[in-house]
Amino acid sequence: DAGITQSPRHKVTETGTPVTLRCHQTENHRYMYWYRQDPGHGLRLIHYSYGVKDTDKGEVSDGYSVSRSKTEDFLLTLESATSSQTSVYFCAISGRAGGQEDTQYFGPGTRLTVL
Amino acid sequence: QKEVEQNSGPLSVPEGAIASLNCTYSDRGSQSFFWYRQYSGKSPELIMFIYSNGDKEDGRFTAQLNKASQYVSLLIRDSQPSDSATYLCAVALPGGGNKLTFGTGTQLKVEL
Repeated sequence: DAGITQSPRHKVTETGTPVTLRCHQTENHRYMYWYRQDPGHGLRLIHYSYGVKDTDKGEVSDGYSVSRSKTEDFLLTLESATSSQTSVYFCAISGRAGGQEDTQYFGPGTRLTVL
Repeated sequence: QKEVEQNSGPLSVPEGAIASLNCTYSDRGSQSFFWYRQYSGKSPELIMFIYSNGDKEDGRFTAQLNKASQYVSLLIRDSQPSDSATYLCAVALPGGGNKLTFGTGTQLKVEL
């Protein structure tokens, strides 16, 4: 699992509440990513980070924000959760020094249900 | 047209047979190609990556890349029931950020 953890692993919340998911890595990889995975859509990129405090939007960024204040942590926030954000969320990392920069390794995932 | 396309399957093969999984991509500038395996309820796990035209072998797995035809395939020799999973093709599109675009995956079932 390349030293990646996600928390929480499961969460049930109500529409309109804020939710923050955390990704933590111990591998000192430069890049970090947040994806969501839904049936029929596969993995879709929400946001990514290419360094501390450097982030950019992905394919499905509406309704999500991110922050990266330390190399090892990448937070995904749903400001006001909606039922359409019910999904499985995966964090990924890439860019280990001396390794293949574009090879991504995934965390265990967070299953989020918005009622 | 989707950027990365895979047949969703399921692809059923008997134990011991060769499983052939295919993926096509739309951007001719793509440079890096990846295959991930995902068991139900688990996260994607990297199997192989390939950058150059031709074949790349790793154990029972062979990745094949043909940039002229814009396809990449994964062959699994001597398929085992434990190979039953969804296989995701991913392509690094040009533009930086080391971003990958994923296909929706092909479900493989290896039958006894």
